[in-house]
Amino acid sequence: DGGITQSPKYLFRKEGQNVTLSCEQNLNHDAMYWYRQDPGQGLRLIYYSQIVNDFQKGDIAEGYSVSREKKESFPLTVTSAQKNPTAFYLCASSSEGFYEQYFGPGTRLTVT
Amino acid sequence: GEDVEQSLFLSVREGDSSVINCTYTDSSSTYLYWYKQEPGAGLQLLTYIFSNMDMKQDQRLTVLLNKKDKHLSLRIADTQTGDSAIYFCAEEVTGFQKLVFGTGTRLLVSP
Repeated sequence: DGGITQSPKYLFRKEGQNVTLSCEQNLNHDAMYWYRQDPGQGLRLIYYSQIVNDFQKGDIAEGYSVSREKKESFPLTVTSAQKNPTAFYLCASSSEGFYEQYFGPGTRLTVT
Repeated sequence: GEDVEQSLFLSVREGDSSVINCTYTDSSSTYLYWYKQEPGAGLQLLTYIFSNMDMKQDQRLTVLLNKKDKHLSLRIADTQTGDSAIYFCAEEVTGFQKLVFGTGTRLLVSP
């Protein structure tokens, strides 16, 4: 089955630690996205990548980093510089030239 | 910048129609989208409408688009308890391959 996988579903970390969230897709999509979701605030774009080895900052990139070494993979690192990292993180992908995005199941990160 | 607005909450009884509204800002968006999110899950594309259309019907779903007022609505006929979820509208950011999502409308369907 084609789709997007995110792992793990739940992640717990201590404050001050970096943590990397995984996102893999087998849809052969060129573009991939990371969003953060907080209650009552909808989805906010963190980073996106339209092609391998290239990515752009979204609206709330501070405290986050990404890499895009393979078409299938777009990992997100939440660094210790992110002041309020506890949130639900969603990964998505889309085909070149199309805006319609397909979403993974999400990772809920809790930092204490 | 882009800003997509939705009301936060809607409550209906099973069997009634639900209407979820959205206002958007980018008049050059080619498509506008409706997504559904069930608790603890990712977003699922429900439907979309091409910007030169006024209406699109897909089974129980009807999308209405008023380009002059930049207003989009999603009507769900014969709403079921399984329709309880958060519904997001989204507009394209012209020239960039990305979407801007609204804040989401939480639909609660009671028996």
